[in-house]
Amino acid sequence: GAVVSQHPSRVICKSGTSVKIECRSLDFQATTMFWYRQFPKQSLMLMATSNEGSKATYEQGVEKDKFLINHASLTLSTLTVTSAHPEDSSFYICSAELGTQYFGPGTRLLVL
Amino acid sequence: QKEVEQNSGPLSVPEGAIASLNCTYSDRGSQSFFWYRQYSGKSPELIMFIYSNGDKEDGRFTAQLNKASQYVSLLIRDSQPSDSATYLCAINEDGGFKTIFGAGTRLFVKA
Repeated sequence: GAVVSQHPSRVICKSGTSVKIECRSLDFQATTMFWYRQFPKQSLMLMATSNEGSKATYEQGVEKDKFLINHASLTLSTLTVTSAHPEDSSFYICSAELGTQYFGPGTRLLVL
Repeated sequence: QKEVEQNSGPLSVPEGAIASLNCTYSDRGSQSFFWYRQYSGKSPELIMFIYSNGDKEDGRFTAQLNKASQYVSLLIRDSQPSDSATYLCAINEDGGFKTIFGAGTRLFVKA
């Protein structure tokens, strides 16, 4: 139990385009999901807390207009990186709360 | 500012030895404590959780919690090369849903 999926697992896009990443809790409902970013050899950085049916809560320094989060159902949260630039290239990981956090497999984004 | 501190390592141990990973935290209100393992290029996976003072054993893993000292550790017995990974310590407040992660300790088990 407590399986979280992410799609896509890997994406390459051109600078200036937008990329949507999906995070799904497959066998449980999650009112709260989290989005993290991790650069190579660095620790997880919490970007935002996604709450079903309400606005996401962003961490300090994370631009809410650039990283759009939608948590429209109890099993799905999406992160859209708008107007992506090469510095947005990173490993994006979501997690869903069920007593503790269960992580999705991550999405590796490369912006050319 | 709630903090979780870990030695970044790398911690290098020979195969078959006991690996000891340590973590301290600043928030005395913390009630739940977790250890995650993260292989390079992969997302973290939960391996242990502990709520009460003392030891909790699961296979080759033992989590130890000392709330008075604000200290939690993870022991890995009979370490294997496949245990080589980064181990993340995480805490959660009682009733809270926001988990605070440490930066992780890199473990390297030499064959």
